[in-house]
Amino acid sequence: EVQLVESGGGLVQPGGSLRLSCAVSGFTFSSYWMAWVRQAPGEGLEWLANINEDGSGKYYVDSVKGRFTVSRDNAKSSLYLQMNSLRAEDTAIYYCVTDMGYWGQGNVVTVSS
Amino acid sequence: QAVVTQEPSLTVSPGGTVTLTCGSSTGAVTSGHYPYWFQQKPGQAPRTLIYHTSNKHSWTPARFSGSLLGGKAALTLSGAQPEDEAEYYCLLSYSGSAVFGGGTQLAVL
Repeated sequence: EVQLVESGGGLVQPGGSLRLSCAVSGFTFSSYWMAWVRQAPGEGLEWLANINEDGSGKYYVDSVKGRFTVSRDNAKSSLYLQMNSLRAEDTAIYYCVTDMGYWGQGNVVTVSS
Repeated sequence: QAVVTQEPSLTVSPGGTVTLTCGSSTGAVTSGHYPYWFQQKPGQAPRTLIYHTSNKHSWTPARFSGSLLGGKAALTLSGAQPEDEAEYYCLLSYSGSAVFGGGTQLAVL
């Protein structure tokens, strides 16, 4: 059974940082692209970032370029999202998603003073 | 970045058939865009119905199918059930990056 367990969300002040983690099991993590997706309250889904199988290729939506960094540790079957310079508009539920469309449970990030 | 367009809302009668579409501002949608379709009900996380144009997961009801139709990605629901009332999102890939459509609110009435 494929499982994605996310952690690391919470409340952070504007300008602060958070690191999200996504631990994956049930499939060969190192063989698949992974993605981060978010959903702001009352809004639609927004794709944030992709990372290829070995981590050599990373792609970002313009709104997070230079602030967010996606990475992976294939030895630990884990995906990460380092979020810096957070803004109020980054408040959302953050999901990790596999190439075949398995989703994590979501992680709430709230940016507020 | 590209803009992905979906019908904002659609209505289907119980037992009826409806097709949701997903277009790209860059031109025709092809299999190279690896189209995905997601269903989201209020208060729930999204779940994937279709990946890579037409592939289903074990949990995808047989009444849902994915295809390419008229230069767009399409999700067809045949034999709509009340529980299919939900928001549906498509996702297209563009050489590494990706873009969601704005979503289609589907009513089963």
